[in-house]
Amino acid sequence: AQSVTQLDSHVSVSEGTPVLLRCNYSSSYSPSLFWYVQHPNKGLQLLLKYTSAATLVKGINGFEAEFKKSETSFHLTKPSAHMSDAAEYFCVVSPANTGNQFYFGTGTSLTVIP
Amino acid sequence: NAGVTQTPKFQVLKTGQSMTLQCAQDMNHNSMYWYRQDPGMGLRLIYYSASEGTTDKGEVPNGYNVSRLNKREFSLRLESAAPSQTSVYFCASSEALAGAFLGTQYFGPGTRLTVL
Repeated sequence: AQSVTQLDSHVSVSEGTPVLLRCNYSSSYSPSLFWYVQHPNKGLQLLLKYTSAATLVKGINGFEAEFKKSETSFHLTKPSAHMSDAAEYFCVVSPANTGNQFYFGTGTSLTVIP
Repeated sequence: NAGVTQTPKFQVLKTGQSMTLQCAQDMNHNSMYWYRQDPGMGLRLIYYSASEGTTDKGEVPNGYNVSRLNKREFSLRLESAAPSQTSVYFCASSEALAGAFLGTQYFGPGTRLTVL
């Protein structure tokens, strides 16, 4: 079975401090992994994706994520939070055997305090 | 290049009414998807179409039907709307790459549906 667990439903950080959004996955097969961001009343935008080329993946807006197979984790980080980073973040897994299906985590709401 | 477009952006229905949500993509993607988003539940897959001419049920298909009209268009129909179908609906498309790994999903702006 496939599943995605985002360990925190809400994260608050001060502007200029690091961001860590945690994601663990369960997959029987080698997965593709994604992080999407959704700003209020907007659609979803891809931040970054892992497709086996490199375990440390760099995305847009200074975000990056590291694939750790031994820990089945794909945590999202950013060294310094900006006010514009306040949004909902979704971790998504797509296992190789599921015929184009994508499984979403329940989301982490990031608040950035000025 | 508009990406993924959805119509309408907002809709209010009465219980029992029917409607069709339209989705189109201009990226020549093979795969298309319909999701619903409810507070605290992330996105849940309703139906998807791996390629033109095929459709499959996702996690929450009950009360919905879909049509893959051609490679560009994928519509979602509610035959008899219920208050439980009040949600935000997103359409997405993706490449279907060979081998183990899939392409990125691109999302439309969403349709906010309220069923009274």
